[in-house]
Amino acid sequence: DGGITQSPKYLFRKEGQNVTLSCEQNLNHDAMYWYRQDPGQGLRLIYYSQIVNDFQKGDIAEGYSVSREKKESFPLTVTSAQKNPTAFYLCASSIVGGQGYGYTFGSGTRLTVV
Amino acid sequence: AQSVAQPEDQVNVAEGNPLTVKCTYSVSGNPYLFWYVQYPNRGLQFLLKYITGDNLVKGSYGFEAEFNKSQTSFHLKKPSALVSDSALYFCAVRDRGYGQNFVFGPGTRLSVLP
Repeated sequence: DGGITQSPKYLFRKEGQNVTLSCEQNLNHDAMYWYRQDPGQGLRLIYYSQIVNDFQKGDIAEGYSVSREKKESFPLTVTSAQKNPTAFYLCASSIVGGQGYGYTFGSGTRLTVV
Repeated sequence: AQSVAQPEDQVNVAEGNPLTVKCTYSVSGNPYLFWYVQYPNRGLQFLLKYITGDNLVKGSYGFEAEFNKSQTSFHLKKPSALVSDSALYFCAVRDRGYGQNFVFGPGTRLSVLP
């Protein structure tokens, strides 16, 4: 079945540590996105990529980094510069064309600072 | 700038009663309109979308939404609410141009009381 997979489901980070969240899709989508969601809140865009080897900052990119070396993969690194990383992180993918195609979301990774 | 408003943070409805979750938008042109649902600790799931044609769109789980161009609204409705409909609901718009990203509303928490 085609879909988008995020791992791990739960992740714990110590102060000052970098961690990487995985996002893989087999939908042949060109575009991939990372969102942050705080408890009971909406979605805030961190980074997005519409083509391999290219990505753009979203609204809250500071303290995060991404790479897009393969079409299927869009990992997100939460660096030590992100002072409040505890949140629920959602990855999504889509086609780029404007045909009314929606986003497909992964099941999320909950990151907690310990 | 594009924006999506969901004027109610929380909607409470008794089981068996009709429900409405409101969405208004401010986008140039004629965007695509979407509703997504999020259950606790899960990703967003697609409910329905408006592309063109009939202003009343039917979607998953008995939900429907009515597109009103003059009021720039896309309210989500269901004739008879279930306790299992309790979740966080997001309205989103996507411009028809190539490569346009979604703009999400802040979300509305629906609680269906038994």
